[in-house]
Amino acid sequence: GENVEQHPSTLSVQEGDSAVIKCTYSDSASNYFPWYKQELGKGPQLIIDIRSNVGEKKDQRIAVTLNKTAKHFSLHITETQPEDSAVYFCAASKQTGANNLFFGTGTRLTVIP
Amino acid sequence: IAGITQAPTSQILAAGRRMTLRCTQDMRHNAMYWYRQDLGLGLRLIHYSNTAGTTGKGEVPDGYSVSRANTDDFPLTLASAVPSQTSVYFCASSEGQANNEQFFGPGTRLTVL
Repeated sequence: GENVEQHPSTLSVQEGDSAVIKCTYSDSASNYFPWYKQELGKGPQLIIDIRSNVGEKKDQRIAVTLNKTAKHFSLHITETQPEDSAVYFCAASKQTGANNLFFGTGTRLTVIP
Repeated sequence: IAGITQAPTSQILAAGRRMTLRCTQDMRHNAMYWYRQDLGLGLRLIHYSNTAGTTGKGEVPDGYSVSRANTDDFPLTLASAVPSQTSVYFCASSEGQANNEQFFGPGTRLTVL
């Protein structure tokens, strides 16, 4: 099955700086790569996703890049704010009968005011 | 709009006891999922259902069963709980099967002693 690795496990940045989280995946058939944000005591919430037919997608301060050849994708958060502090999960999936998302192990981001 | 609700919020259970975690969604989503979240392991899929009346096994199905009698409800049952099933359990749903955003419930924290 798919194996998704995520780094770093923890990340601290000063408010206003950028944060980058990286993930690699093993199954070349994976074609959907979402990123979820999980705040304390809550369930994960989708913040951005990318499909294998594009290399980059941006939504305001958040961007995701995908390198299918190298099988890695990254989340970029610019101009970080304290409310960006949370645990972020990457995931990978391929278009099969089951929408099985394989998650990374998470990155705890702390934005220091 | 409630989205996805889970019950109970938390539970302490003696080993060997039977337990059913409840999950209800009001979005009329076809697909539903159960994940467990453990520190350092991210979220792992237990069981899923692509549509009412069908279920399938995920990455870690042993010790768990599910049913999908209707569109809205997707209960998860532990027939005889063991301490290794101590975890936070998340229910999720999505409109379709492949590559669609999954919406997560608030989670159930289960402790098996």
